Amino acid sequence: ILNVEQSPQSLHVQEGDSTNFTCSFPSSNFYALHWYRWETAKSPEALFVMTLNGDEKKKGRISATLNTKEGYSYLYIKGSQPEDSATYLCAFIKSNFGNEKLTFGTGTRLTIIP
Amino acid sequence: DAGVTQSPTHLIKTRGQQVTLRCSPKSGHDTVSWYQQALGQGPQFIFQYYEEEERQRGNFPDRFSGHQFPNYSSELNVNALLLGDSALYLCASSSRNSPLHFGNGTRLTVT
Repeated sequence: ILNVEQSPQSLHVQEGDSTNFTCSFPSSNFYALHWYRWETAKSPEALFVMTLNGDEKKKGRISATLNTKEGYSYLYIKGSQPEDSATYLCAFIKSNFGNEKLTFGTGTRLTIIP
Repeated sequence: DAGVTQSPTHLIKTRGQQVTLRCSPKSGHDTVSWYQQALGQGPQFIFQYYEEEERQRGNFPDRFSGHQFPNYSSELNVNALLLGDSALYLCASSSRNSPLHFGNGTRLTVT
């Protein structure tokens, strides 16, 4: 059973502040790591697909880094806005074929306080 | 271009009954994965269908079965429902090396 852990479980951040949270995953047989954002009453939406150690991806105010050797990824949000309130899920793929099953963490629930 | 669509959106069933959930993948996607999300947990992988065959399966009992049709749409069947099967069931479609595209889910309540 693969262990994908996310911390913290929940987070309250003042609007305008920056924040980050962590996804830990097995460091062996790494293929890819995905980040998804899941807003209430919507379906999860892909943010990033990361495959290379040292990868850094950015989408607006959100960025992510990847360390496959030590088995962790950080998601950063700069200058939080109310629309950033969501659950952020990471998902790990252990395979070299791609398109295999993703193992999800339990998510970090982020609430932005106006 | 329609994304992933799931039906029904909500469903209430009684213990022991059987249920069928349906999913149409995003256009261009050939792989469908099903996930169960119970309260307070991340999505748990049930199984994945590709080319009308179950390609991978998570840690779910045989009461959970599925099917994929030639048009890539898929069904999830659960027999002999238990109270613990109450959850949000998410369908996600993908093609090779793409991230998952999720539907809005079916909320199943078993009473």
